Amino acid sequence: GAVVSQHPSWVICKSGTSVKIECRSLDFQATTMFWYRQFPKQSLMLMATSNEGSKATYEQGVEKDKFLINHASLTLSTLTVTSAHPEDSSFYICSARKQVGNTIYFGEGSWLTVV
Amino acid sequence: AQTVTQSQPEMSVQEAETVTLSCTYDTSESDYYLFWYKQPPSRQMILVIRQEAYKQQNATENRFSVNFQKAAKSFSLKISDSQLGDAAMYFCAYRSGETSGSRLTFGEGTQLTVNP
Repeated sequence: GAVVSQHPSWVICKSGTSVKIECRSLDFQATTMFWYRQFPKQSLMLMATSNEGSKATYEQGVEKDKFLINHASLTLSTLTVTSAHPEDSSFYICSARKQVGNTIYFGEGSWLTVV
Repeated sequence: AQTVTQSQPEMSVQEAETVTLSCTYDTSESDYYLFWYKQPPSRQMILVIRQEAYKQQNATENRFSVNFQKAAKSFSLKISDSQLGDAAMYFCAYRSGETSGSRLTFGEGTQLTVNP
């Protein structure tokens, strides 16, 4: 089956620094990737839709300048949390849409802790 | 906009018994997909079952089956012969049938506990 890999799985960073999370489709091309944020015991909240070669589409209330998304190739999208603060600590999960079949596959997720 | 509602925050079932998780949705579209995802403590999202709206037959995957009532906009998940490994958070999700509308809209989730 199709595999989506997220890296890192866990990251701790200091307040004020930036941290990058990668989402890779390992064996298929993904023209569209999605970034979600999930708080404990809550549902997945869509942050943005990332399209290869174009600007990401952000959901209402999500700060574009704080959560930078880049989708430079058909297999890689990155989420950069800039000037991270403790309230940005959360579980971030990506998904990728396989062009053939239009099926969505999820990454393993990344835990971010800002101290 | 489409919405997905799961009215059961928590459910529990005895091992080997059957449990049904509820999901309702709201949409004006005629072409769409519905999904149930399982999220165990590892947080990995696992696709349990998928239903195409144009199909009248309810989807089945081994011990998992759905009751899809299109007119009522209801999409419940039945887990038969529950196993300890079924314990997880379950999310119902909707996706538009339009190619450009491939985002998933999730319900609030139902935490399933399986008692030995």
